[in-house]
Amino acid sequence: LAKITQPISMDSYEGQEVNITCSHNNIATNDYITWYQQFPSQGPRFIIQGYKTKVTNEVASLFIPADRKSSTLSLPRVSLSDTAVYYCLVGDTGFGGGADGLTFGKGTHLIIQP
Amino acid sequence: KAGVTQTPRYLIKTRGQQVTLSCSPISGHRSVSWYQQTPGQGLQFLFEYFSETQRNKGNFPGRFSGRQFSNSRSEMNVSTLELGDSALYLCASSSKPPDTQYFGPGTRLTVL
Repeated sequence: LAKITQPISMDSYEGQEVNITCSHNNIATNDYITWYQQFPSQGPRFIIQGYKTKVTNEVASLFIPADRKSSTLSLPRVSLSDTAVYYCLVGDTGFGGGADGLTFGKGTHLIIQP
Repeated sequence: KAGVTQTPRYLIKTRGQQVTLSCSPISGHRSVSWYQQTPGQGLQFLFEYFSETQRNKGNFPGRFSGRQFSNSRSEMNVSTLELGDSALYLCASSSKPPDTQYFGPGTRLTVL
């Protein structure tokens, strides 16, 4: 199982770019990296997924170095509504698990201030 | 396309009772996974079903069980409820493993 480490909390301000880094030193060859956003009492919402290098969508970018031992979720120009918990997930053969199931980080509580 | 739906949204039970939670995946999705979320333990994987077969199971006691029907709808059952079973139970579906999973709103279970 990949051991995941991410900051417990982060603060930023509206309009800023926020980067949240996740460490997964023993990531396996078949593992993908997925990030989810969760608001209180709601189910997690998929943000982005990647295997290596850089992935970008309309919401965020995901940077994965060549050794894949870490990844960085980048949120451009955050707003107050981006205040949420962000989970880094490392999964065997993608987010679906494999023989070892799934590994969730503890999540990063991102607080955006005006 | 409608998202993942879970019923009921809220549930209150007493210790020793059993409970059944239901999940309807996104139309066309055949994989359903269940998670338990508590403040202390965070998000923990319970089990995953695909085409009515359990593919993976997390580290939970046998009181937690699940099944998937031919229409991909899934149920999970918890027997002999304990106070520590109070949690938000989340269901997620994907078209098939290992595609991206989409979560439902959850069922908030309170055990008194």
